[in-house]
Amino acid sequence: KNEVEQSPQNLTAQEGEFITINCSYSVGISALHWLQQHPGGGIVSLFMLSSGKKKHGRLIATINIQEKHSSLHITASHPRDSAVYICAASRFGNEKLTFGTGTRLTIIP
Amino acid sequence: EAGVAQSPRYKIIEKRQSVAFWCNPISGHATLYWYQQILGQGPKLLIQFQNNGVVDDSQLPKDRFSAERLKGVDSTLKIQPAKLEDSAVYLCASSFWGLAAGTGELFFGEGSRLTVL
Repeated sequence: KNEVEQSPQNLTAQEGEFITINCSYSVGISALHWLQQHPGGGIVSLFMLSSGKKKHGRLIATINIQEKHSSLHITASHPRDSAVYICAASRFGNEKLTFGTGTRLTIIP
Repeated sequence: EAGVAQSPRYKIIEKRQSVAFWCNPISGHATLYWYQQILGQGPKLLIQFQNNGVVDDSQLPKDRFSAERLKGVDSTLKIQPAKLEDSAVYLCASSFWGLAAGTGELFFGEGSRLTVL
């Protein structure tokens, strides 16, 4: 079992839909990162959080430390949101990052 | 603020040749990571530096891969000799790291795409 699990692996939705991507981890972490990768592009950090909730534009990230679970939400989704979304956990002590397998999101106009 | 710089962006070589990738992290960032991302997969950590010291290189194929970060700033990743399965994007990332503060936000370079023929 991977230390960081994401679901779903693939998600296709219509423009305007509310999107949720989930991330569960089994290790002690100091922070949970949400990253975005467009096809052929580099990786962009969306959020880094260790508790509670963060919001940036139409993106919202939440984390529940007790349940070892984080979610990334996209409101009013748009085709330009189509990308691979990756969660990564940084571990206490050495800050080693463990990546989830990614969620490929496709938003259809 | 300048981002993480990587070069070259693209490289095509034949198997058994050598290649080197360069990374200049964001100024002041103590932690530097090299990742290998094979098409369709998530990034795999090759090596993590804290300043000029190695924190983790457990997944670096040391028979053919080497990396250094002299003076704790720029870093170079070398592959010699390259194999077909080394075809991938090599990503460099940096973050400010303090033991009390944790990892800090990650900043990635655009990556160096390697094709081994």
